[in-house]
Amino acid sequence: EAGVTQFPSHSVIEKGQTVTLRCDPISGHDNLYWYRRVMGKEIKFLLHFVKESKQDESGMPNNRFLAERTGGTYSTLKVQPAELEDSGVYFCASSRLEARGTDTQYFGPGTRLTVL
Amino acid sequence: GESVGLHLPTLSVQEGDNSIINCAYSNSASDYFIWYKQESGKGPQFIIDIRSNMDKRQGQRVTVLLNKTVKHLSLQIAATQPGDSAVYFCAENFGNEKLTFGTGTRLTIIP
Repeated sequence: EAGVTQFPSHSVIEKGQTVTLRCDPISGHDNLYWYRRVMGKEIKFLLHFVKESKQDESGMPNNRFLAERTGGTYSTLKVQPAELEDSGVYFCASSRLEARGTDTQYFGPGTRLTVL
Repeated sequence: GESVGLHLPTLSVQEGDNSIINCAYSNSASDYFIWYKQESGKGPQFIIDIRSNMDKRQGQRVTVLLNKTVKHLSLQIAATQPGDSAVYFCAENFGNEKLTFGTGTRLTIIP
């Protein structure tokens, strides 16, 4: 079974440009999460999809970030316009949808974003 | 506010010895805890988890202990190997599926 995949693995852009990150979850996983780790800090939650719906977007830092999951399969996270403080590693995770709410989240390898 | 933190940022252990990584949490309502291992250039890899109705769970060479009285979580790795060198994160789930991570402990295995 393929794991969570993310594209690209690295992205270097100039301040003010737009970048779109993609995540393909494990097949059959209805839960999809975005997290990020900025330099020297802990991994922090950004948002959570259940199928195509946003369940929780409390971690999104501002309106420059837009996440979508059309069709409930892969997801994209767009940053527009990018700022220097957006640099970091963006992780995607997925899990099965369980009635009790908690199931193991499996992480992708991450996209390292550098904004110059 | 609630937080999940690690006592030590780095830990060096002789190959073959056992290692213990500790984690403190502050939300007594948390009901699910996970340990992840992250190697350089990779994403967090699930190691073991434990639910709040348990105090110990064992896997292959790893054991997680949960002490709800003092809100403490630990990961024990037996007979450490060079491949165990990585950053280890504990994560906490408040029941709404969002994980809260600690800052991580870097474990280095000395040959």
